[in-house]
This record gives sequence, C-alpha cells and structure tokens, in this order.
Amino acid sequence: NAGVTQTPKFQVLKTGQSMTLQCAQDMNHEYMSWYRQDPGMGLRLIHYSVGAGITDQGEVPNGYNVSRSTTEDFPLRLLSAAPSQTSVYFCASSLFAGTAIYGYTFGSGTRLTVV
Amino acid sequence: TQLLEQSPQFLSIQEGENLTVYCNSSSVFSSLQWYRQEPGEGPVLLVTVVTGGEVKKLKRLTFQFGDARKDSSLHITAAQPGDTGLYLCAGASNTDKLIFGTGTRLQVFP
Repeated sequence: NAGVTQTPKFQVLKTGQSMTLQCAQDMNHEYMSWYRQDPGMGLRLIHYSVGAGITDQGEVPNGYNVSRSTTEDFPLRLLSAAPSQTSVYFCASSLFAGTAIYGYTFGSGTRLTVV
Repeated sequence: TQLLEQSPQFLSIQEGENLTVYCNSSSVFSSLQWYRQEPGEGPVLLVTVVTGGEVKKLKRLTFQFGDARKDSSLHITAAQPGDTGLYLCAGASNTDKLIFGTGTRLQVFP
C-alpha cells in the first residue's frame, strides 16, 4: 500500500548510543517532516524538508540530524541519545511544501525509549 | 511562537451525545486541518478548512473555521464508540510549518 513507512516500530537505546530512524514514502511527495509526540504536548516539529537536498530546523531540533538525498527517504539521526528523547516519533509527508491545501500523510510511528 | 490551544483536553461521553471541541489561537492561519489519531497509529487527516467562516461536514462531523481564521471547532452529532480517539487541530501559516494543537482525547462509551 502507498504511504509513509517508518522503521523500526519500537527501539530501546542506552544513553549515549546513536541510531537512525528510517522514513520512506512512495507518493512522490515533495515535503517531509519529523515530529515527536509527548503526553500533553501534542506534536512538535523536529526537522523538515521541502525537497531533495533541502532541510531546515523545526521547533525542537537539538540532538537530531536529518538529510534528504532522495525524494523518497528522510532519515532522522539521534547523535547521542538522552532520556529526554524518549518519545514517539512520527514522519509525515505532503504533496507540496505549501500546507494551505494539502494535508499530511503520517507514518505509524517509532516508539523510542532511552534508558 | 504560534500556539494552538485545544479544549477540552479530555472528554468522556455516552453514545448518542453531541460534543464540540475547540481550537483557539491568537495567530492567523492560512488554513486549519483536523486529524484523528488512534492508539499505536499516526494521525489521519479528516478535513482542511481554508476560508474564514467556512463550514465543512463529514457525515456526523461538522468543522468550522472562524471568521478571523484564528480558531476552529469540531462538532460531533450522536457520537458513536467508533469516534473514540485523539483529535488534533493543526494550523498552517505562511511558512512551511504545520503547528499542532495539544489534542482532545475523546472516549465514547456504548
């Protein structure tokens, strides 16, 4: 089925470890983004990309890196995991960068626990 | 920083009741979207409203965008257990960012 695929679905990391959360979409969407969802705080934007080779910071970018070498893939890298990064991470994509008309398609999320 | 506040935060009702969820901001948005999220899944888009005063209906759900494009409401008529979930509003400004509200968790009991 077409959509946004996130892997892994669950991950436990030790403090200081690094890892990459994978996100791929097969809808030829220009826009991709990463959010984290914490209880009582809604979805907060980490990084986003308006096209291949272009990325920018969102509301909470510290501790995370991204790259967009292809239209399809937008991996999120945790450089040195901290307990404060325990969260559920969602990747989302949209047809074009302008969000006035086009809604987001979300992946099913990655639940990350840092111990 | 643009903020979207949703109320109520939690809502627990019986099947057949009506309810309204509010989404408010001091900022003007070019459009506003509503999503529903079920446990273990990502949010799913329900509707996008673009014009101030716009009303859209999706079966028993009615969405309205405020005249000044700073607020929105979601009204559910005759709620059913299948409506249970987390409802999120999200506002788009003139940037490439979509700002999400904190969510309203709805539980509908049979």
